[in-house]
Amino acid sequence: GNSVTQMEGPVTLSEEAFLTINCTYTATGYPSLFWYVQYPGEGLQLLLKATKADDKGSNKGFEATYRKETTSFHLEKGSVQVSDSAVYFCALRNSGNTPLVFGKGTRLSVIA
Amino acid sequence: DAGVIQSPRHEVTEMGQEVTLRCKPISGHDYLFWYRQTMMRGLELLIYFNNNVPIDDSGMPEDRFSAKMPNASFSTLKIQPSEPRDSAVYFCASSLMGTTNEKLFFGSGTQLSVL
Repeated sequence: GNSVTQMEGPVTLSEEAFLTINCTYTATGYPSLFWYVQYPGEGLQLLLKATKADDKGSNKGFEATYRKETTSFHLEKGSVQVSDSAVYFCALRNSGNTPLVFGKGTRLSVIA
Repeated sequence: DAGVIQSPRHEVTEMGQEVTLRCKPISGHDYLFWYRQTMMRGLELLIYFNNNVPIDDSGMPEDRFSAKMPNASFSTLKIQPSEPRDSAVYFCASSLMGTTNEKLFFGSGTQLSVL
């Protein structure tokens, strides 16, 4: 079946540190991959996506590259801010008419 | 557009009571999803609808849970009777053009506490 595995949090970083949140997936076919972000007290919102191998999704300084050979979609940001503190979810949607499958989420706390 | 609207924002109830969670999707969206979020299990898909018709309810934990979508602008998730292990944040989400549109819009969630 389809599944997403994320690194467990929480992750605590100082402001301006480099961020990596690992995500690997298992899927049949050729899935699209996503990162969603959940700020405190809010629902999830789409951060970035990639729909085929070697695509790079980017938004708000965050990037993730679709690596088919390693079945990974790691999230990176070069310099985090306190406002990036949130829970980050990796997700996939397989080809065909299927709902998103989410990972368990990784909580990020950025301290000044 | 006001986005996906859920009510109530918080619900505290006693074990055995009936709980009804409500959702108004974004106007024009044709898919609606109910998710449950807990620390242990993360985000779980409970059920989803297409054009008001339930498509897959395999994620509904047990018969105590039921969901309806009587029209395109309203859905409910009901738990009867409620149990302490049902305590979680319940999210409603909607999308346009089904799951081929790869962007879900989430509501702010309902924090349910069953004592």
